[in-house]
Amino acid sequence: NAGVTQTPKFQVLKTGQSMTLQCAQDMNHNSMYWYRQDPGMGLRLIYYSASEGTTDKGEVPNGYNVSRLNKREFSLRLESAAPSQTSVYFCASSVSQNTEAFFGQGTRLTVV
Amino acid sequence: AQTVTQSQPEMSVQEAETVTLSCTYDTSESDYYLFWYKQPPSRQMILVIRQEAYKQQNATENRFSVNFQKAAKSFSLKISDSQLGDAAMYFCAYRSKYGNKLVFGAGTILRVKS
Repeated sequence: NAGVTQTPKFQVLKTGQSMTLQCAQDMNHNSMYWYRQDPGMGLRLIYYSASEGTTDKGEVPNGYNVSRLNKREFSLRLESAAPSQTSVYFCASSVSQNTEAFFGQGTRLTVV
Repeated sequence: AQTVTQSQPEMSVQEAETVTLSCTYDTSESDYYLFWYKQPPSRQMILVIRQEAYKQQNATENRFSVNFQKAAKSFSLKISDSQLGDAAMYFCAYRSKYGNKLVFGAGTILRVKS
């Protein structure tokens, strides 16, 4: 029962580098999400995918792109990393839009 | 836009005692869901309890219960018989019935003293 799996768990990037955070869920959920967590600000939604084949911007989408590769996988890409993107990133999934979300273990990203 | 406010950045409780974490929210909607999530040092987000706005009865899960006051837009979490394993960051979250996202509060760090 893996649930939501994120890779990597830790990453250090130099300013301007690119990388992709991977996320996969094995619960046959329709909706998937990417959040970032910053101190004193809770979790903020970056992008979401309500169903396979669709993606939409959340609260803080600038500097990110996403791909819903199939029903299981939802990746987050940083094309040119900036120090402001230093954060903990969480992927989550839910059966539908109005049910509780299940979260991965997070990726701690540091941009230097 | 909906907002969630947790006014207590940090709380402490003695083991075996009871603690209440506060949460208020702002919305113009009548149908929605509210959640409490726990985040221990492992960083994993764990769902503690869920409340549907149309239900008047307060949700309970073992030692965890909520006081849901819809008119006051308040959703507090009560932890009874606190245990050392309850020490964590707790997040209150809101979701519209037809919305796509969870809106989180800033979180409350709960410390449990032995």
